[in-house]
Amino acid sequence: AQSVTQLGSHVSVSEGALVLLRCNYSSSVPPYLFWYVQYPNQGLQLLLKYTSAATLVKGINGFEAEFKKSETSFHLTKPSAHMSDAAEYFCAVRRDSNYQLIWGAGTKLIIKP
Amino acid sequence: SQTIHQWPATLVQPVGSPLSLECTVEGTSNPNLYWYRQAAGRGLQLLFYSVGIGQISSEVPQNLSASRPQDRQFILSSKKLLLSDSGFYLCAWSTISQGLGNTEAFFGQGTRLTVV
Repeated sequence: AQSVTQLGSHVSVSEGALVLLRCNYSSSVPPYLFWYVQYPNQGLQLLLKYTSAATLVKGINGFEAEFKKSETSFHLTKPSAHMSDAAEYFCAVRRDSNYQLIWGAGTKLIIKP
Repeated sequence: SQTIHQWPATLVQPVGSPLSLECTVEGTSNPNLYWYRQAAGRGLQLLFYSVGIGQISSEVPQNLSASRPQDRQFILSSKKLLLSDSGFYLCAWSTISQGLGNTEAFFGQGTRLTVV
């Protein structure tokens, strides 16, 4: 069965510091992986997706994620945090049997001034 | 371009009252449609999804139901709300294909439901 685990329900970084949000997946087939962002009281917005092309995926707002098969990871990074990055971030994997998305529990990113 | 509309944005309803949340999609045909719920401090819970008119799959048995009367319309309903139905409800759509990466979901702005 496929699954996604996000390590850390809350991550706090200082403005200007590196952002690292962790996502590990479990899949017996090559996965399709996604990162979404949710700002307070809004819907989710796609940040980036991995579709078995390049292992380093660049997304919107300066975020990127690297697919590492050996580590079954798809961590999200941004070199320099901005106050506007404060939001909740969700990792998801596409279920191979019916193409629905399997969601991680989410990580709330807190930016300290 | 495709857009998704979800309303109302906020709703306060008494226990035992009915519920109807509506979601419509524009700019695409035969989308897959989803209703999710987020309870406070919790992740996304898939409630229902639909691959076509009149086709509804329920992921979690509960006090809610869904209907898809038209291709791009998805309705979440309840006959009698419970306190535990409070939460943030999100509608989403996607297209399913065996092509590369075109199964991402696109979300509406959500409805904050408070049952009192």
